[in-house]
Amino acid sequence: DVKVTQSSRYLVKRTGEKVFLECVQDMDHENMFWYRQDPGLGLRLIYFSYDVKMKEKGDIPEGYSVSREKKERFSLILESASTNQTSMYLCASSLLMWTGYQPQHFGDGTRLSIL
Amino acid sequence: SQQGEEDPQALSIQEGENATMNCSYKTSINNLQWYRQNSGRGLVHLILIRSNEREKHSGRLRVTLDTSKKSSSLLITASRAADTASYFCATDPLQGAQKLVFGQGTRLTINP
Repeated sequence: DVKVTQSSRYLVKRTGEKVFLECVQDMDHENMFWYRQDPGLGLRLIYFSYDVKMKEKGDIPEGYSVSREKKERFSLILESASTNQTSMYLCASSLLMWTGYQPQHFGDGTRLSIL
Repeated sequence: SQQGEEDPQALSIQEGENATMNCSYKTSINNLQWYRQNSGRGLVHLILIRSNEREKHSGRLRVTLDTSKKSSSLLITASRAADTASYFCATDPLQGAQKLVFGQGTRLTINP
């Protein structure tokens, strides 16, 4: 079974802090994704990566950056945390879609509170 | 932007009844997928239907796709308490560049 592991289930940080959310997958997937999930807004894509050191902006990249130095690890960085970044953050991975359909596999999420 | 829109936003039924959730989308797609999310957990992939398919079954799940209406439905038959969860449709747009676009979800509650 594919396992996507997010480093923290719950995290509390202060406004202005630099925050790192880590995600590791164990199935050699090329694609990795970061979403945030808010009530009434569903899942919104922040960034995704289809290879090491490659990244693409999603729908809401402002205030975030990402790092993918190794294939199995994809980090989301909040450069200067703000209260409107309080949310549930979900990481996912998948094989490349042009090899045929591939579902996304999700971690259990990190519930981040910015005070 | 969100492409999939689920309807209803919330659904509450008795155990043993069938549950139907609908999804509408705006642009042409390669495929449409349904995911389930239990409270406080990540999403789990349930089923995929390709754009050239009209109906697909997996256990108690039945998915239909009408590309002319840009809509899909997910039917869960003989519901169980364990089916209580949020259900999301996700579209793989033709110009999606490796991305899925998720709807806002339907919150399904199965009452014992």
